Amino acid sequence: GENVEQHPSTLSVQEGDSAVIKCTYSDSASNYFPWYKQELGKRPQLIIDIRSNVGEKKDQRIAVTLNKTAKHFSLHITETQPEDSAVYFCAASMGGRSNNNDMRFGAGTRLTVKP
Amino acid sequence: DVKVTQSSRYLVKRTGEKVFLECVQDMDHENMFWYRQDPGLGLRLIYFSYDVKMKEKGDIPEGYSVSREKKERFSLILESASTNQTSMYLCASTPETSGNTIYFGEGSWLTVV
Repeated sequence: GENVEQHPSTLSVQEGDSAVIKCTYSDSASNYFPWYKQELGKRPQLIIDIRSNVGEKKDQRIAVTLNKTAKHFSLHITETQPEDSAVYFCAASMGGRSNNNDMRFGAGTRLTVKP
Repeated sequence: DVKVTQSSRYLVKRTGEKVFLECVQDMDHENMFWYRQDPGLGLRLIYFSYDVKMKEKGDIPEGYSVSREKKERFSLILESASTNQTSMYLCASTPETSGNTIYFGEGSWLTVV
């Protein structure tokens, strides 16, 4: 089955700096890669996702890049703000007709943005 | 706006007790999930259901069972709680086809003493 590894486990940046979180996956059949943000005491919420037919996707200060050959994908947050502080999870699944029961999550990255 | 509601946010139970964690979603989603969240381990799938009365084991089903008698409701059952089941439990749902957003509940913090 799919195995997703995520690095780093903790990341501390100064407000205004960029933050990068990296994930690798093992199953070359995976083609859907979402990122979830979980604020303290809250539910994980989808912030951005990418499918294997594109290499990069942006949404304001957040971008995700995908390298299918190397089987890794990354989350980039620019101009970080204190409200970006949270735990971020990457995930991978095969998409298509599966029911998402094949989705596997990384261990999470705790991002702290210092004012 | 999709809503996944977990009825109990914080529970403290004794070793050996039977524990029920309830989850309800209001978007008529076919798929429902129970995950366990532990520091350094991320989200691990316990059980999955793709239809009423249907269930599949996830990666860590031992010590757990589930029930889905109605489409909107998915229950996680700990038949005999143990201290190593102290954790945060997240319920989630998603429409039928994959590649869709998974919607999570707020989580249930369970402490077994």
